[in-house]
Amino acid sequence: DVKVTQSSRYLVKRTGEKVFLECVQDMDHENMFWYRQDPGLGLRLIYFSYDVKMKEKGDIPEGYSVSREKKERFSLILESASTNQTSMYLCASSLALGQGVYTGELFFGEGSRLTVL
Amino acid sequence: TQLLEQSPQFLSIQEGENLTVYCNSSSVFSSLQWYRQEPGEGPVLLVTVVTGGEVKKLKRLTFQFGDARKDSSLHITAAQPGDTGLYLCAGMNRDDKIIFGKGTRLHILP
Repeated sequence: DVKVTQSSRYLVKRTGEKVFLECVQDMDHENMFWYRQDPGLGLRLIYFSYDVKMKEKGDIPEGYSVSREKKERFSLILESASTNQTSMYLCASSLALGQGVYTGELFFGEGSRLTVL
Repeated sequence: TQLLEQSPQFLSIQEGENLTVYCNSSSVFSSLQWYRQEPGEGPVLLVTVVTGGEVKKLKRLTFQFGDARKDSSLHITAAQPGDTGLYLCAGMNRDDKIIFGKGTRLHILP
């Protein structure tokens, strides 16, 4: 069964702390994404990656960075957490152009709910 | 900015009733997905439609892609409490960017 696994389901951190959110996929997908989901705002794209060591800014990258050292792993980093980063974080992966018929289907992890106090 | 507008935002109906939710845009999409998300979980892909006018059925769920590939609908027949959740539509534009709607929150009362 295909799977996207996020390392932590629930985290509570203090303002100013460094936060790592890890995501691993076992589908050999080229593309990986980080979204945050907030009531009334829907899903917003933070960063994405189309290849190892490659990253692109999404719609709301401020306050975040990412790392993709291996194809299957995509990490989201909050260098100095703030209360406005309290949210549900969703990792997703997808096929890429050339890996098959690319229709934009995303496979999501279970989410990481982060609370910053 | 491309937008996908979902309606209604919230829907609460009795078990056994039928319902339709909508996903509309002024832009053309090369494909469109529907996802269902349960509280505290990630979205799960239900279906992808790619051809204008396409209809796909998944048990009691019927998905339709508009002829012009700008809109889509999801119809549920004889809703069950297990259908409760947040339904998200997402479209891929000609730049291969994924655009999400804000979702329809559906609650089926037993």
